[in-house]
Amino acid sequence: AQKVTQAQTEISVVEKEDVTLDCVYETRDTTYYLFWYKQPPSGELVFLIRRNSFDEQNEISGRYSWNFQKSTSSFNFTITASQVVDSAVYFCALSEDNDYKLSFGAGTTVTVRA
Amino acid sequence: DTGVSQDPRHKITKRGQNVTFRCDPISEHNRLYWYRQTLGQGPEFLTYFQNEAQLEKSRLLSDRFSAERPKGSFSTLEIQRTEQGDSAMYLCASSLAYVSLFFGPGTRLTVL
Repeated sequence: AQKVTQAQTEISVVEKEDVTLDCVYETRDTTYYLFWYKQPPSGELVFLIRRNSFDEQNEISGRYSWNFQKSTSSFNFTITASQVVDSAVYFCALSEDNDYKLSFGAGTTVTVRA
Repeated sequence: DTGVSQDPRHKITKRGQNVTFRCDPISEHNRLYWYRQTLGQGPEFLTYFQNEAQLEKSRLLSDRFSAERPKGSFSTLEIQRTEQGDSAMYLCASSLAYVSLFFGPGTRLTVL
């Protein structure tokens, strides 16, 4: 069964627009971790954020912000004032135990046009 | 640069040949992971090591695949008798316990 669902396959925006990426996860564990990774055209996965299941505080880092809602099993990611360099595939991932064996979603391709 | 490194970055081989990939983790990281990523999909877990011990293998890892991490440092992933379905990006990641994974640039395998 798919543990992480990223329903948006592709999103295209014009520079300076905001873009929100959806992530819905499924787990029976009470302790788990959620992640977002960025994969630019170069191919290397870049770690963006980790959130544990007991910390529902939203987080902001520069133009990036994350909204974690346990009630809806969602961990959404917003890029504010998008830039061309934000063009990449973004993956949401779930780890259900402490060995960090990640289950990734299928990814959302973000294209930011100048 | 002290990140995760992988070698080679690209490998083209003919069906039936054996291939071996190498991963050098971040030096103080005791955990090392292998993932496989096919076009348009997220990475899929293959196996992971804590120090030199291989603790888990995915069902995706058929008996043609073998991974080692001698001395708990670098790791190798070997694929025997390659098939066209093995064409993918093979990603290595490392971490300290309870800390996030950091990925290498990957090895892209093409089986003709």
